[in-house]
Amino acid sequence: EAGVAQSPRYKIIEKRQSVAFWCNPISGHATLYWYQQILGQGPKLLIQFQNNGVVDDSQLPKDRFSAERLKGVDSTLKIQPAKLEDSAVYLCASSLSSSGGGADEQFFGPGTRLTVL
Amino acid sequence: DQQVKQNSPSLSVQEGRISILNCDYTNSMFDYFLWYKKYPAEGPTFLISISSIKDKNEDGRFTVFLNKSAKHLSLHIVPSQPGDSAVYFCAASARDYKLSFGAGTTVTVRA
Repeated sequence: EAGVAQSPRYKIIEKRQSVAFWCNPISGHATLYWYQQILGQGPKLLIQFQNNGVVDDSQLPKDRFSAERLKGVDSTLKIQPAKLEDSAVYLCASSLSSSGGGADEQFFGPGTRLTVL
Repeated sequence: DQQVKQNSPSLSVQEGRISILNCDYTNSMFDYFLWYKKYPAEGPTFLISISSIKDKNEDGRFTVFLNKSAKHLSLHIVPSQPGDSAVYFCAASARDYKLSFGAGTTVTVRA
């Protein structure tokens, strides 16, 4: 079974530039998550999709971050414009259940390491 | 605010000995707890979990203990092996199923 795919793996941009990350979840997984992991901290949930609808985006900085999951499969996360404090690893995860849940195992991709200069 | 805390950023242990990782939480609504393991350049992978109705869960070399009154859980790895060298994240969720992660503990198993 193929895992969660993410691209690019690394990205270096200057502040105020835009960047987009792509995630392809495990086939058949209804729930998709984007996490931000700042160096020295644990992953923090940014947004959760169930199929192509948003379940939770309460911690997404909506003035600069946006995400979409068209057709309930792939997802993109965009930052526009980027700030220095956005430097982090952006992790995508997916889970099988259509209801999502902490009891429902989340499978993580390898992440995209973003450096904002 | 950090609802899940792993106060030891690193742990070094001899191969064959026991590794004990600790995790504290502040939110009394948490009722499900997980440990994830992460190798460099890879995403976290699920290791073991425990629900609040239990105080111990065992899976091979890995055992998780939960002390609800102290809001504390621990992960025991015995015996420790070189392949166990990784970052271990403690995570917790309440009924909203949102995972809150600790900052991680880097385990190094010495040969």
